[in-house]
Amino acid sequence: ETGVTQTPRHLVMGMTNKKSLKCEQHLGHNAMYWYKQSAKKPLELMFVYNFKEQTENNSVPSRFSPECPNSSHLFLHLHTLQPEDSALYLCASSRIGQNTEAFFGQGTRLTVV
Amino acid sequence: GIQVEQSPPDLILQEGANSTLRCNFSDSVNNLQWFHQNPWGQLINLFYIPSGTKQNGRLSATTVATERYSLLYISSSQTTDSGVYFCAPDTGGFKTIFGAGTRLFVKA
Repeated sequence: ETGVTQTPRHLVMGMTNKKSLKCEQHLGHNAMYWYKQSAKKPLELMFVYNFKEQTENNSVPSRFSPECPNSSHLFLHLHTLQPEDSALYLCASSRIGQNTEAFFGQGTRLTVV
Repeated sequence: GIQVEQSPPDLILQEGANSTLRCNFSDSVNNLQWFHQNPWGQLINLFYIPSGTKQNGRLSATTVATERYSLLYISSSQTTDSGVYFCAPDTGGFKTIFGAGTRLFVKA
């Protein structure tokens, strides 16, 4: 248990569905992140939120829509995904300041059919 | 952006053996982390080591920031050490970037 909780752990969705991934951190951090890990590829940084403000969007397609209502919660809204979007989606959080050690949730394994 | 290179890409060890994993990075960094990803995908924090040397049980890590590399030492390896080891430097701006990882398999 790292203090970062992701739900659901597994998700299968059709290409026309809309679903959301949820991430919650209990570490008192103020930066949160979404990463994507596809098979045989390194983790790719998707979005960064710093005090609820989005500070990074790594050229992510608009079918992925993040939301950060407060510094403890982060969502990733999914719509009209493609099969190549199937991957492990990982959420992380960290402090802002001197010690920026990041902690990760257990991930959501997404399959788009 | 920063380039992160990890070596070797794959490593097979006999239980009890020692190994060294290397991470080279192309730019100066504010911090650097080592993670172990288990077979279920969970990323486990091993070290937060912007510079210097740290030890935790059978594992230790050294980062030489001025020469842009970090090393992870695994001694007396166990089958539970199997998985993927990632080096992840942060160049600032909260951009922790991951290397491609070293896939380790420890044989009983």
